[in-house]
Amino acid sequence: QKEVEQNSGPLSVPEGAIASLNCTYSDRGSQSFFWYRQYSGKSPELIMFIYSNGDKEDGRFTAQLNKASQYVSLLIRDSQPSDSATYLCAVRIWNSNSGYALNFGKGTSLLVTP
Amino acid sequence: EAQVTQNPRYLITVTGKKLTVTCSQNMNHEYMSWYRQDPGLGLRQIYYSMNVEVTDKGDVPEGYKVSRKEKRNFPLILESPSPNQTSLYFCASSLSSGFNEKLFFGSGTQLSVL
Repeated sequence: QKEVEQNSGPLSVPEGAIASLNCTYSDRGSQSFFWYRQYSGKSPELIMFIYSNGDKEDGRFTAQLNKASQYVSLLIRDSQPSDSATYLCAVRIWNSNSGYALNFGKGTSLLVTP
Repeated sequence: EAQVTQNPRYLITVTGKKLTVTCSQNMNHEYMSWYRQDPGLGLRQIYYSMNVEVTDKGDVPEGYKVSRKEKRNFPLILESPSPNQTSLYFCASSLSSGFNEKLFFGSGTQLSVL
């Protein structure tokens, strides 16, 4: 099983601060990386994806990818209480049966305190 | 509106009573998948389908069946549910299983087997 590891948290940050969420993966052949946000009892919602090394910014969110270190992170600037959720890291890995299978980490719980 | 529709949202049943959870997408996606999500275990893939009449097992297929007779529909069947199948279930779809394809989730089905 190709591993995708995340710290389960909870990660607690004050409102307005930067939240940093980290994810490591074991398969060097991993091609693409996704961040999903999931509120309790709700479905995962795609918020960011990244394919190339470096940073990708979208509003308050920045995804960072370092393939050499097998590390992908998500930064949330100006964190709001509404950002409190579980963040799932997902990695696409080639599988001869299913194409690029999407492997999920178990998620990091983020709590933004007012 | 592009979406993945699951029904029912909540389901309580008894051991051994066959049930079907429906999933439909209106995005003409080739790839569809079922996941279950349990506390501490994250999202685990049950079955997936690369296209019509093409299905294959995921990580936890025991006790489940699927079919893909039409491109838009991918029902999940529990022939004889047991209490260990109590879980939150998600259907998901993507255009294909390419490395850059984004996976979209249905709203989920909370199943309780008594």
